[in-house]
Amino acid sequence: EAAVTQSPRNKVTVTGGNVTLSCRQTNSHNYMYWYRQDTGHGLRLIHYSYGAGNLQIGDVPDGYKATRTTQEDFFLLLELASPSQTSLYFCASSDNGDYEQYFGPGTRLTVL
Amino acid sequence: AQKVTQTQTSISVVEKTTVTMDCVYETRDSSYFLFWYKQTASGEIVFLIRQDSYKKENATVGHYSLNFQKPKSSIGLIITATQIEDSAVYFCAMREDEVGSNYNVLYFGSGTKLTVEP
Repeated sequence: EAAVTQSPRNKVTVTGGNVTLSCRQTNSHNYMYWYRQDTGHGLRLIHYSYGAGNLQIGDVPDGYKATRTTQEDFFLLLELASPSQTSLYFCASSDNGDYEQYFGPGTRLTVL
Repeated sequence: AQKVTQTQTSISVVEKTTVTMDCVYETRDSSYFLFWYKQTASGEIVFLIRQDSYKKENATVGHYSLNFQKPKSSIGLIITATQIEDSAVYFCAMREDEVGSNYNVLYFGSGTKLTVEP
């Protein structure tokens, strides 16, 4: 079973702050994803990648950057955090875009 | 517009009974994939079961099965012999298969909270 870890698990920052969320998967999956989860919206895709150095735009990318440095590591960057980005963030991975995704434990981000 | 809609916000059932959770989706693609995920109280999200649009047979995994009604764009999740530990939020999701701007995007419904009582 895929192992996906995220750090930090909780983060509090102020408006305008700079935040980096980290994700690592250890099952050699090609695809990695960043989602945000908000009440009433389910999960929404922010960015995804199908390999090191690759980045694709998801459904709600505004205000977020991402970088895939290796096959294992995928980072989500908020360079000017805003209160609207307060959310629960999940990272996921899959072997192929068609296949089921395996999720990390989530990072709760609060922007004051 | 919502691509995946789950109208049941919460359901409560008695242990050992069968429950069905509804999900309807919207797509113009002829090929697509449908998934159900479970989110436990701890926040963990786990893949449960999948249906490929070209398959006529309903998928079954353990005590989870699907009711795929393609003409109605509907994919219901059926849990038989429910257990207390099935209490969770269940999400339906869809991925369209035709190459385009939405390729590889997994669209989620807003979830149905299931409570299984003794």
